[in-house]
Amino acid sequence: AQSVTQPDIHITVSEGASLELRCNYSYGATPYLFWYVQSPGQGLQLLLKYFSGDTLVQGIKGFEAEFKRSQSSFNLRKPSVHWSDAAEYFCAVGAVKAAGNKLTFGGGTRVLVKP
Amino acid sequence: DTGVSQDPRHKITKRGQNVTFRCDPISEHNRLYWYRQTLGQGPEFLTYFQNEAQLEKSRLLSDRFSAERPKGSFSTLEIQRTEQGDSAMYLCASSLRDRGRVKGNEQFFGPGTRLTVL
Repeated sequence: AQSVTQPDIHITVSEGASLELRCNYSYGATPYLFWYVQSPGQGLQLLLKYFSGDTLVQGIKGFEAEFKRSQSSFNLRKPSVHWSDAAEYFCAVGAVKAAGNKLTFGGGTRVLVKP
Repeated sequence: DTGVSQDPRHKITKRGQNVTFRCDPISEHNRLYWYRQTLGQGPEFLTYFQNEAQLEKSRLLSDRFSAERPKGSFSTLEIQRTEQGDSAMYLCASSLRDRGRVKGNEQFFGPGTRLTVL
């Protein structure tokens, strides 16, 4: 069974500082990997995704993530955080060949941005 | 707006009542998913449809829950005899299953229906 772990429940970062959110997954084959962001009371917005190829993927809002197969990780980074980045971030894994390709999400990391 | 829409956005009900939620996916999407998100947790898969066929149901979906997608377009999720433990955000997502190209199961989510059971 696939699973996702986001070790950090909360992260506080100063505006302008860099941000890194950790994600570790467990899946027996080639995964699809995603990062979503959720603002309070809102649905999920896709930031970026990894299917294959270049292990460093660029997303929206200046985010990037690096897939490291040897570490089963897909960490999200942003060089300089803006106050509007305060939200909850979810890492998710989807099976490449399983029927339906349902997503399995981590527990989320809530990011607080200090002025 | 051509995104996924859900109705209602909020529902407050008393324990034991039945509730029904609606999801309208992106028009050309043939797959539709339901997820449940409880406070402080990530979304959990409930069920999904490909066109009108319900192809998978999670064990989280007790016999009080039923979902339909009768014409392969919008979907409804009904909860009978609601319990306080059903209080959660119910998220709908849709995607396009395209055999010709790798779409990577990019799912587009709606804003969710927040259910509160008193």
